[in-house]
Amino acid sequence: QKEVEQNSGPLSVPEGAIASLNCTYSDRVSQSFFWYRQYSGKSPELIMSIYSNGDKEDGRFTAQLNKASQYVSLLIRDSQPSDSATYLCAVLPSGGSYIPTFGRGTSLIVHP
Amino acid sequence: SAVISQKPSRDICQRGTSLTIQCQVDSQVTMMFWYRQQPGQSLTLIATANQGSEATYESGFVIDKFPISRPNLTFSTLTVSNMSPEDSSIYLCSGALDYEQYFGPGTRLTVT
Repeated sequence: QKEVEQNSGPLSVPEGAIASLNCTYSDRVSQSFFWYRQYSGKSPELIMSIYSNGDKEDGRFTAQLNKASQYVSLLIRDSQPSDSATYLCAVLPSGGSYIPTFGRGTSLIVHP
Repeated sequence: SAVISQKPSRDICQRGTSLTIQCQVDSQVTMMFWYRQQPGQSLTLIATANQGSEATYESGFVIDKFPISRPNLTFSTLTVSNMSPEDSSIYLCSGALDYEQYFGPGTRLTVT
């Protein structure tokens, strides 16, 4: 059973701080990793994809992947109240499957 | 990216009836999927919609209850049949471009 684990939170950070969201996965040979943002009452929105070890930056978002330790994280710099949402980690298994395993999500609250 | 539309956006249905949800994608995605999401829960995959053939269902979901069609690369329907209150949920369509998955806005179904 392939698993993706996230702390459900809520993670509460002050406005302007760095929010750090973490995700661990069990399938050692997974190749593709994704972060989705889901606002309350809305559908998930893809915000980052990462496929190689290291960091990938997009605006205020940085995804970090460490395949040896089997974790992927999302850093949000200069957090804003509009970043308050649930963040879902998704991992694609090896073997060419298009069906990711989703974590249960971490709730982020950015307070003014 | 892919833009995905769904209709209806919400519906309230009587038990024992059926509802068909439509999903339209603006580009030729590799794969289309149907998910269910209960409030505060993560995503549960119902099935992979296969073009021109029977859908591939996940454990716990059957064709008689959730018939799915995908007549072409950009359109799919999910029917929730013989509904009961336990079917009340948000139903999400998604499409995969390469390995990135994009979600429609969802259909909020309430069964009374």
